[in-house]
Amino acid sequence: DIQMTQSPSSLSASVGDRVTITCRASQSISSYLNWYQQKPGKAPKLLIYSASSLQSGAPSRFSGSGSGTEFTLTISSLQPEDFATYYCQQSFTMPFTFGPGTKVDIK
Amino acid sequence: QVQLLESGPGLVKPSQTLSLTCTVSGDTINMGGYLWSWIRQLPGKGLEWIGHIYYSGDTYYNPSLKSRIAISKDTSKSQISLRLTSVTAADTAVYFCARGQTGNVDHWGQGTLVTVSS
Repeated sequence: DIQMTQSPSSLSASVGDRVTITCRASQSISSYLNWYQQKPGKAPKLLIYSASSLQSGAPSRFSGSGSGTEFTLTISSLQPEDFATYYCQQSFTMPFTFGPGTKVDIK
Repeated sequence: QVQLLESGPGLVKPSQTLSLTCTVSGDTINMGGYLWSWIRQLPGKGLEWIGHIYYSGDTYYNPSLKSRIAISKDTSKSQISLRLTSVTAADTAVYFCARGQTGNVDHWGQGTLVTVSS
């Protein structure tokens, strides 16, 4: 299985901050990388697919980049509703696997 | 708008079979291009792809669970089903039904907590 790692595992930030989360794959996954946001008690929500494509309905302050084994999710200006846990997921090969998550909370 | 709703018992005894159903509305599960999937989230932990079924009826199962799982569909009822046999406490999780496109998941059910305990 392809192993996904994320850093940091958690971070504290303020409203308006620029936030960057990194995801790494144990082998090259081209651009088959997706990002999800999950709030407590809710299902994850797709934000970014294919590394850099913004899902319909996702705010434009979210962006993704990278290819191969290293990827980033950037929130350009953190909003109160963005405090959540973020997961990356590779869809290059089955079984599709997720990163352990990055929790973003209020500083 | 696509909606997925999981249903099934919230408590299963060890060694028994976990059975869940996902009812899909707003879409047809016979449409090509989608993976009708089951994903679970262990308590306080990350997400695990259990498996999926294609519109054709072909299935994929995570090798870590392959000997214990079966995913099926009932087109007439617009339902996807999951069976997981010989459950243990390690199978306690929130189980999500989901629709995927080439591996990314664009629609999720609300999830249902299944606890394995005697």
